[in-house]
Amino acid sequence: DAGITQSPRHKVTETGTPVTLRCHQTENHRYMYWYRQDPGHGLRLIHYSYGVKDTDKGEVSDGYSVSRSKTEDFLLTLESATSSQTSVYFCAISAAGATTELEAFFGQGTRLTVV
Amino acid sequence: SQELEQSPQSLIVQEGKNLTINCTSSKTLYGLYWYKQKYGEGLIFLMMLQKGGEEKSHEKITAKLDEKKQQSSLHITASQPSHAGIYLCGADEGSARQLTFGSGTQLTVLP
Repeated sequence: DAGITQSPRHKVTETGTPVTLRCHQTENHRYMYWYRQDPGHGLRLIHYSYGVKDTDKGEVSDGYSVSRSKTEDFLLTLESATSSQTSVYFCAISAAGATTELEAFFGQGTRLTVV
Repeated sequence: SQELEQSPQSLIVQEGKNLTINCTSSKTLYGLYWYKQKYGEGLIFLMMLQKGGEEKSHEKITAKLDEKKQQSSLHITASQPSHAGIYLCGADEGSARQLTFGSGTQLTVLP
């Protein structure tokens, strides 16, 4: 299994509180992604990173921010959690290279409930 | 960004039956990925297709990418209960390295 760890695995938080999810990799892969998964929507990209301090928005980035100060860590922050952000969050990593297979490895997910 | 449409959204088959899941893109794909997910777990990589007309197989699962690189199909032969789960197709446009996914197909295999 690829070395990718998400923490925490489960979290319940109150509306309006800040929440940070962590994704840690030991593969030294360049690309890291944060997705949320909701019934009927599949996986939707929140933010992704293509290097240290290089990040970009995905299709559902509102209400989320990310940081990547080290290759191995990609943090997702909900500045002020809302009930609509209740979801399962997945982190993914992949290696760079225009001619290589861009296989993405996924973490086990973080189940976040905002009450 | 591109949109990926998967069909059907859900599928219930009897064990031993063959089945096909489709994934269609509005744009030409640089790479097309198939993943499987069991409930409450992360995604497991199945196959990646990159060339028009390419076909790959792993055990009883075969994936194809059409010549125009806009449509892919995942075919399972002689389905088993172990095949049950959510199948997702993902695509990479190549330029921005954004990985986007379809909404998934929930597969149930009845013993």
